[in-house]
Amino acid sequence: GAGVSQSPRYKVAKRGQDVALRCDPISGHVSLFWYQQALGQGPEFLTYFQNEAQLDKSGLPSDRFFAERPEGSVSTLKIQRTQQEDSAVYLCASSLGPLDTQYFGPGTRLTVL
Amino acid sequence: DAKTTQPTSMDCAEGRAANLPCNHSTISGNEYVYWYRQIHSQGPQYIIHGLKNNETNEMASLIITEDRKSSTLILPHATLRDTAVYYCIVRVAARDDKIIFGKGTRLHILP
Repeated sequence: GAGVSQSPRYKVAKRGQDVALRCDPISGHVSLFWYQQALGQGPEFLTYFQNEAQLDKSGLPSDRFFAERPEGSVSTLKIQRTQQEDSAVYLCASSLGPLDTQYFGPGTRLTVL
Repeated sequence: DAKTTQPTSMDCAEGRAANLPCNHSTISGNEYVYWYRQIHSQGPQYIIHGLKNNETNEMASLIITEDRKSSTLILPHATLRDTAVYYCIVRVAARDDKIIFGKGTRLHILP
């Protein structure tokens, strides 16, 4: 079946631009996670949704980062006024529920010039 | 979640068994051992998880020591497509929560 999809796969932004990254979770999956992965590092947690509720946003690095999942399915991660240190791969994962494992999308590689 | 320790990198000949160790000496009784891998330019892929018994699926086997302070992921017949970074993670399976990844082990399968 269809897995987690993310778009765009690659994004180049000039410093100061706003970007929006999209995640389409597996159909029926209640939980959705965003992670940030810097080059050569493991993924780091950003935020978590259960349906449309954002239950944990403790990993968001600054108030320039904002995530939403208004109808409990598709999610968007928005980064305002991008900085060079925001350059990373942004990964989305979804899971059916509390007892299920997380399935990851291919990621969006963001490069800020 | 408990911290894990893994070797930075390992090599394995194609066709041989790849044995990836992981230490998790501070694991709690309700924490599971999970393994994910990440092939270059892809998102992490779930492999297997276990609590205290050994587990096997179509991808790999997981051997957990009796004291649960360490475990080994076994890929029985490694192929070039198994070249990836392998992450050992301990977490409470019953809690819908973030995964804390370490740096993992970079496994090179040699032809």
